Order: sequence, then structure tokens, then C-alpha cells
Amino acid sequence: TQLLEQSPQFLSIQEGENLTVYCNSSSVFSSLQWYRQEPGEGPVLLVTVVTGGEVKKLKRLTFQFGDARKDSSLHITAAQPGDTGLYLCAGKGRSQGNLIFGKGTKLSVKP
Amino acid sequence: DTAVSQTPKYLVTQMGNDKSIKCEQNLGHDTMYWYKQDSKKFLKIMFSYNNKELIINETVPNRFSPKSPDKAHLNLHINSLELGDSAVYFCASSQRPATEAFFGQGTRLTVV
Repeated sequence: TQLLEQSPQFLSIQEGENLTVYCNSSSVFSSLQWYRQEPGEGPVLLVTVVTGGEVKKLKRLTFQFGDARKDSSLHITAAQPGDTGLYLCAGKGRSQGNLIFGKGTKLSVKP
Repeated sequence: DTAVSQTPKYLVTQMGNDKSIKCEQNLGHDTMYWYKQDSKKFLKIMFSYNNKELIINETVPNRFSPKSPDKAHLNLHINSLELGDSAVYFCASSQRPATEAFFGQGTRLTVV
């Protein structure tokens, strides 16, 4: 079974701190996606990483895809309360049409 | 205009009832999905349709039946609702199977 393991499960930090969350698998993925979900809303796509070793930046968010395409990380610099949410990674499963999700990292940034 | 819209947003119903959740996307996508998010926030795929054809049917009770009248719509009908069906159900769409997905706002189903 393909699984995406995310860590940590919960993260509570103060405004201005840096943080990194991880998405790991024993399987190779052709690409990985990162989403953020806020309470009462559906997940919203942040980025897709495709090439092993790729680094993508979205303002204060930096996404990296592992060289072997089995893992990815999301680094947030100088976190703000607006970054609070559930961060999910997702990848294409073995079955056609199966977009599988990790269990997410719940981030809370306190002012 | 909302890209992926699902109704209703909240649904409270008694055990044993039958209910439907509707989903529409105006993005011109070929693929649509139903996901269930449990109390621990785990998003689990239930069904995936591509061009109105069912391509994924995960281990879901037969009481759940998706229907796709056209590429823009994917409805979910649930028979004989049980307490364990309480969850948030998300509809999503993507241009092709398992590519970047756009989600609806979710339907919070509470079975009492």
C-alpha cells in the first residue's frame, strides 16, 4: 500500500519562528502536491513538485522534492498567524485516478 | 463564481434516512472525486470519475452510490445512514486523474 507519512502531526509555534514539515514515503512518486486547509474549508493547492531535487518558493514558503522522489518538505520562514492551518501532501497512487493524501500537519502560529 | 460547489454545506439527519449531496464544477475538468474526511482530518478517497466513468471505487459500503450525469456533476447518494457515516465529505475536480485538485467547501454530515 502506498502511504504518505507526514510529520510532525501537530506543531504550535510563535509568530516569527521558522518551521519545517515533512512528507515521506517508501514509494516513488511522479510528483507531489502540497495543500493548505483552513477550518471549515476545502484544501487549497499550494504547489506541485515534479523533478527530483526541485525547490520551489512561494513567498515565505519553500518546498523541496527529494532527489529520489520519495519525500518532500515544506519550510516556512518567519511564520505568521495567517499560516495557521492543516498542511497536506498528496501524490498519485498506483491506481489510475487515485490521488492519495497524507494525514497532514496541523500548524498553529500564535501572535 | 465558485469553481467547485457542493450542497448542502451542513446536513443533519437521523439514522436510517437516505440523503444526497450534490457537486458541480465549472472548471471544465474531466475528473471528479468524492473524499471523506474523518474527525482526525484524514482525507480518504471514496470514488473517482473520469469523463463520467467510474475509475476508482475504494472500499466503501454499497450504501454509497455516486452518480455522474455529465462531466460537470458528481452527486453522492447515501442510503440507510449510520452513525459512523458522520464526517465531512468533499467533492473535488482535476483536469486529469490524480493531478492538481480543486476542492469544494465540504458537506458536514451529522447522523443522529
